[in-house]
Amino acid sequence: DQQVKQNSPSLSVQEGRISILNCDYTNSMFDYFLWYKKYPAEGPTFLISISSIKDKNEDGRFTVFLNKSAKHLSLHIVPSQPGDSAVYFCAASANSNSGYALNFGKGTSLLVTP
Amino acid sequence: SAVISQKPSRDICQRGTSLTIQCQVDSQVTMMFWYRQQPGQSLTLIATANQGSEATYESGFVIDKFPISRPNLTFSTLTVSNMSPEDSSIYLCSVEGQRDYNEQFFGPGTRLTVL
Repeated sequence: DQQVKQNSPSLSVQEGRISILNCDYTNSMFDYFLWYKKYPAEGPTFLISISSIKDKNEDGRFTVFLNKSAKHLSLHIVPSQPGDSAVYFCAASANSNSGYALNFGKGTSLLVTP
Repeated sequence: SAVISQKPSRDICQRGTSLTIQCQVDSQVTMMFWYRQQPGQSLTLIATANQGSEATYESGFVIDKFPISRPNLTFSTLTVSNMSPEDSSIYLCSVEGQRDYNEQFFGPGTRLTVL
């Protein structure tokens, strides 16, 4: 049962434009959300996170927005750069017997073209 | 963030054999996690490993198939036992963040192919 969903398997954006990656979740117990970036043959790299008590968190070119009522979050990258081309995973966690175990979406492959 | 290494980085194994994957962290961490990413799928948590206690397994994963050791605060192993082609995956270890326990940092992964 996929509790975190990324419905767009791929996205192509021109360099300099905004990239918007979307993520939906079903479990209302999730209270922390993270975005990871993954290059081929590497492990996921932590990008940015947001607690459920906030609706926005910004770090440089990356901003994450959380809409709890819609159980939706998005990652905005602006301006997009060719080096941003990677697979982006959305993840969510809730404190449980497994600690802060992460539930991942299937990822969105972002291609930033020059 | 912690520096995490995994060995081996990749392996090709025969059906019915077992493979032990090592995860080494450059700092002491309380919780370590083992994930699997099957082809075309998301990362799925196998188990959580605390030092000095038995690992906690997620639904669908059992100790006999995926025994885990956690002998100290910087090291863990995951064994994939009696392998079948369905076990072909990327196996990743992660550790909790030291600044924020909600964050996790991942090793580079072990790409396993079972023939």
